[in-house]
Amino acid sequence: DSGVTQTPKHLITATGQRVTLRCSPRSGDLSVYWYQQSLDQGLQFLIHYYNGEERAKGNILERFSAQQFPDLHSELNLSSLELGDSALYFCASSVRGDGLYGYTFGSGTRLTVV
Amino acid sequence: AQSVTQLDSHVSVSEGTPVLLRCNYSSSYSPSLFWYVQHPNKGLQLLLKYTSAATLVKGINGFEAEFKKSETSFHLTKPSAHMSDAAEYFCVVSGTGTASKLTFGTGTRLQVTL
Repeated sequence: DSGVTQTPKHLITATGQRVTLRCSPRSGDLSVYWYQQSLDQGLQFLIHYYNGEERAKGNILERFSAQQFPDLHSELNLSSLELGDSALYFCASSVRGDGLYGYTFGSGTRLTVV
Repeated sequence: AQSVTQLDSHVSVSEGTPVLLRCNYSSSYSPSLFWYVQHPNKGLQLLLKYTSAATLVKGINGFEAEFKKSETSFHLTKPSAHMSDAAEYFCVVSGTGTASKLTFGTGTRLQVTL
């Protein structure tokens, strides 16, 4: 157990639907990062939150949004889902925002869009 | 801008022989570098990290990596491979400051044969 909790572990949904992925960072970590892993794109950075504030955006689609709550957990919302959104979504956390002490990954949420 | 290039997509070694997984990086500042391992259907586990301290970094499970600034390399090695080392390995570079993100290489699949 890495200390980063992602729920659900698996999600199957239909095209056009909306889902929410949840991440609880390791205790004491202020930063949360979201990554998407797909066969054709590899591991892609989506978005970074630090202590409730958005700090950086990567290749995140406009149909996707995220937020970090006061208790530091984060949610990634995916809407108008398409078949191509099927992927493994990882959350990572770190103590600070600069990675000096490393990043801890959760076990991921596997999203299948049918 | 930052990037990493993993020079081999697949590496096959025999059990008990040395492992070398190659990674070159590009960064406009002093980078933090990491190696992560992903076993099938599992999350990402940190093997080791370089954050401008000692250039030879020792990690878990007998892995180590050497940061060579002149060659912009951060190759991962292990003296003797075990069957349990078979997995996907990612070389990763991190930005600095509170707006950091991880940039992943495309991964190297390590196969260990008897």
